[in-house]
Amino acid sequence: QMQLVESGGGVVQPGRSLRLSCAASGFTFSTFAMHWVRQAPGQGLEWVANIWQDGSNQYYADSVKGRFTISRDNFNNTLYLQMNSLRAEDTAVYYCARDPPRSGYAFEIWGQGTMVTVSS
Amino acid sequence: QSVLTQPPSASGTPGQRVSISCSGSSSNIGSRTVNWYQHLPGTAPKLLIYNSNQRPSGVPDRFSGSKSGTSASLAISGLQSEDEADYYCAAWDDSLHGYVFGTGTKVAVL
Repeated sequence: QMQLVESGGGVVQPGRSLRLSCAASGFTFSTFAMHWVRQAPGQGLEWVANIWQDGSNQYYADSVKGRFTISRDNFNNTLYLQMNSLRAEDTAVYYCARDPPRSGYAFEIWGQGTMVTVSS
Repeated sequence: QSVLTQPPSASGTPGQRVSISCSGSSSNIGSRTVNWYQHLPGTAPKLLIYNSNQRPSGVPDRFSGSKSGTSASLAISGLQSEDEADYYCAAWDDSLHGYVFGTGTKVAVL
């Protein structure tokens, strides 16, 4: 069945880096734009970044711009989020989500999430 | 601080109708379609409404969405205990060049 599975979360010190992965299966990954969304403890959902189907364009939330990089490997059906210069406020559960063409950014499939904790 | 504003909480008894508002601006709701998500703690968010008023396959018709100007709303009719969750509106924002979620509304079934 169609699914997304995130991995790569963990505990990291402030200022260090971490790379998250999102493995897609059960659908043609290369035909969907993809997004990362996060939820900090006790907070609401926050959009982080998105990437077009062919990887030609990426957009970022102001809170991560210049520190995070979204990328994808359509051959291996995997989405990535490279997180550099991590801060305590980046502590959150990170979800990847699928965005069908012409759906108006309707995220109809989500992964189960991976926890990132930034702490010394 | 989100650019989409929702009431922090809403509640009702089983069978009642609950409505959640989402207030935005001309750069998001005013020019884009709105999506609604249901989020239970410890689980992945679930798409409830897309294109402002469309339900994905499998979502009960108790859930309905509407949009007018720079505001949108989600209605839950025939409230059930399993509807206790957090609900978020969302839309693309042309000024921010990013997707924005609402502040979220916690629905309680009394």
